[in-house]
Amino acid sequence: QVQLVQSGAEVKKPGASVKVSCKASGYTFTSYGISWVRQAPGQGLEWMGWISAYNGNTNYAQKLQGRVTMTTDTSTSTAYMELRSLRSDDTAVYYCARDWLGSDDAFDIWGQGTMVTVSS
Amino acid sequence: DVVMTQSPLSLPVTLGQPASISCRSSQSLVHSDGNTYLNWFQQRPGQSPRRLIYKVSNRDSGVPDRFSGSGSGTDFTLKISRVEAEDVGVYYCMQGTHWPLTFGGGTKVEIK
Repeated sequence: QVQLVQSGAEVKKPGASVKVSCKASGYTFTSYGISWVRQAPGQGLEWMGWISAYNGNTNYAQKLQGRVTMTTDTSTSTAYMELRSLRSDDTAVYYCARDWLGSDDAFDIWGQGTMVTVSS
Repeated sequence: DVVMTQSPLSLPVTLGQPASISCRSSQSLVHSDGNTYLNWFQQRPGQSPRRLIYKVSNRDSGVPDRFSGSGSGTDFTLKISRVEAEDVGVYYCMQGTHWPLTFGGGTKVEIK
């Protein structure tokens, strides 16, 4: 079945980096993109950015520019989100979701979420 | 950025009664391709968001027909015709027309 499976929970110190993976299966990976969305404890959803699995084009939320990098590995149908210079307010559950503007399938499939805790 | 404003923040509902959630955008969500990319998501406690409605009024496969979406331009509504216990959770609208994509703040549906 169509699914996105994310990597496990992470605990990082302030200033460190984290890289979360999102492995797709059940569909043609390169026909879509992946959006990353995060949710701080008890808070709402925040879109972080998008990457095309077709050609690697990216579009990042301005507040994360310079700290976030999204990549894909088409050989393994896996998307990655790396966030650097972590701060305590980066503590959140990070989700990946299938996305392609104009497609009826945009945001129809989500990963299970990856908890990232930033604490000294 | 397009600001998505949801109301109410909290919605206590009696089982079997209807519920309605409003979502307003700070600018029109009509894309240059003619489509309006307004989605509705349900997030049950401890779960990932689940898409219910896409492009304003299209219900996802497996979503009960008691859920319906409507609206146009900047004003959108999600309706639940008869609330059931499994509908408890937080509901979010999201616009996919303009970068950056933005979500509403969420509406918490609970049973009275």
